[in-house]
Amino acid sequence: ILNVEQSPQSLHVQEGDSTNFTCSFPSSNFYALHWYRWETAKSPEALFVMTLNGDEKKKGRISATLNTKEGYSYLYIKGSQPEDSATYLCASLNTDKLIFGTGTRLQVFP
Amino acid sequence: KAGVTQTPRYLIKTRGQQVTLSCSPISGHRSVSWYQQTPGQGLQFLFEYFSETQRNKGNFPGRFSGRQFSNSRSEMNVSTLELGDSALYLCASSLGKGGLTEAFFGQGTRLTVV
Repeated sequence: ILNVEQSPQSLHVQEGDSTNFTCSFPSSNFYALHWYRWETAKSPEALFVMTLNGDEKKKGRISATLNTKEGYSYLYIKGSQPEDSATYLCASLNTDKLIFGTGTRLQVFP
Repeated sequence: KAGVTQTPRYLIKTRGQQVTLSCSPISGHRSVSWYQQTPGQGLQFLFEYFSETQRNKGNFPGRFSGRQFSNSRSEMNVSTLELGDSALYLCASSLGKGGLTEAFFGQGTRLTVV
């Protein structure tokens, strides 16, 4: 059974704070790690797809790192804004199925 | 470019009935995957179709089935509905198969079984 774990489950931060979340995934038969942002009443939106150990990707104030040997990925948000409030999902492609974690729910207060 | 379209958006059915959900992928995308989300659970993988063939299936009973048409549109069917089938059903399309490229999600179909 493949498990993708995300922590923390939820997070409340003040506007301007930087924050990070963790995604743990099985390191065996690993092919890709996805991050998605899911805002309320909208569809999940892709942030990053990473495949290589040591990969780092950045989109504006959001960045992610990948460690395939130990099976974890970090998502960082620099200078959080209220519009960053959403659930952040990671998903790991192991063997042939994309398995999602339960997400980290972020709320940014002005 | 139109996004992924799912119909209907909301559905109420009674136990024992069957339901068909539809998903139109982004033009040019040949892979369509289906997921179920229930409260407290992550997105649970149902199945993936690529070029009209089911590539993978998740751990769901045989009451859950799907198909993909030559235009890449996909349908998901659930027969003999149970209360526990109440969930948000999301479909996602991608250019390549198997999760190697980013998935584009529809807004989902909220199914309530009473």
